[in-house]
Amino acid sequence: KQEVTQIPAALSVPEGENLVLNCSFTDSAIYNLQWFRQDPGKGLTSLLLIQSSQREQTSGRLNASLDKSSGRSTLYIAASQPGDSATYLCAVSADRGSTLGRLYFGRGTQLTVWP
Amino acid sequence: GAGVSQTPSNKVTEKGKYVELRCDPISGHTALYWYRQSLGQGPEFLIYFQGTGAADDSGLPNDRFFAVRPEGSVSTLKIQRTERGDSAVYLCASSNPGGGNEQFFGPGTRLTVL
Repeated sequence: KQEVTQIPAALSVPEGENLVLNCSFTDSAIYNLQWFRQDPGKGLTSLLLIQSSQREQTSGRLNASLDKSSGRSTLYIAASQPGDSATYLCAVSADRGSTLGRLYFGRGTQLTVWP
Repeated sequence: GAGVSQTPSNKVTEKGKYVELRCDPISGHTALYWYRQSLGQGPEFLIYFQGTGAADDSGLPNDRFFAVRPEGSVSTLKIQRTERGDSAVYLCASSNPGGGNEQFFGPGTRLTVL
């Protein structure tokens, strides 16, 4: 069974810092990897999608990399802002048969950026 | 609509009662997913529909849980004889497999079983 781990579990930093959030998964046979943001009491907002054939994706101040063979992804947040405070979730989808669609999630990294 | 919508946003019920949770996916998305999220945890998969049929229901915890998608759009998650352990946020997502299968989530339904 696919296991997804996110480190650190929580992170508190001053505004302006560049951040690295880590995600690892045990089964490298993935179809894609998604990074999400979740604000308290809200649903998930998709930030970045990386297909298994890709190495990285960028959106604004966010950059996500994928090393499929080693089972790792990194989310890089540049010049953090208080509005970035949220829980960041990593999820992978399996690349085999009927389980193509389901996502396996980590427990998330709770980020606090203080002014 | 512009995004995935779920109703109700909150549901409080008593142990043993029956509940229905509704999900309206993004128009044109053929795939629909249900997940359950407990406090401090990542979402856990329940069931996945491709069109009207359940392609994978291996995440449903027991036979008290059932989901339908009769016309390939709106889906209803049904929970019979609710238990306190069913309390969680139930999330729905949809995707278009042709678009890399990126999943878009609704705001969730918070279910509380007293």
